[in-house]
Amino acid sequence: GAVVSQHPSWVICKSGTSVKIECRSLDFQATTMFWYRQFPKQSLMLMATSNEGSKATYEQGVEKDKFLINHASLTLSTLTVTSAHPEDSSFYICSAIWTMNTEAFFGQGTRLTVV
Amino acid sequence: SQQGEEDPQALSIQEGENATMNCSYKTSINNLQWYRQNSGRGLVHLILIRSNEREKHSGRLRVTLDTSKKSSSLLITASRAADTASYFCATVPVAGHFNKFYFGSGTKLNVKP
Repeated sequence: GAVVSQHPSWVICKSGTSVKIECRSLDFQATTMFWYRQFPKQSLMLMATSNEGSKATYEQGVEKDKFLINHASLTLSTLTVTSAHPEDSSFYICSAIWTMNTEAFFGQGTRLTVV
Repeated sequence: SQQGEEDPQALSIQEGENATMNCSYKTSINNLQWYRQNSGRGLVHLILIRSNEREKHSGRLRVTLDTSKKSSSLLITASRAADTASYFCATVPVAGHFNKFYFGSGTKLNVKP
């Protein structure tokens, strides 16, 4: 299957700082990328959907100004957690699709810990 | 919420036995997909079934879809210890934009050697 690389795999940051997470599709052009958040022992909650060159569409309850998403190219999307707080600590996962109604390929996830 | 429900939440079986997981969802779908997640890792796609399909096979996996009941099941036959993981169904709504995926609550499968 196609490869989606997420970086970093884990990050620890101080409260109040911002953290950027990258999601790259390595061997295909991803028209759409998705960002999810997963709390321990829970399912994935869709945060936002981004199309290359467009503004991201956020799910209800997700703060746009806190979770900045940029999808500047067909192979790269970034999620920036701004002014991170301990409650933002979570597992963040991205996925990418090539075209509509196809399987999604997932990154390996990023464990964010805010101290 | 469009998120689906899966049952059981946890399932523990012996190696060699079959494992069945169920997924129910709320809205009409274009397709339904099953994914596997090992602890603390990303997700791996297992199988996709479209709304006009009723059953699909892939190796030891068998997926059924009943759109009238808005439910799907994943059967893993002759389970192995390596099948231990969490399994999630994901639905793509018919009316959705950008092919969004909504994940079910997941079933944690433990296969004892």
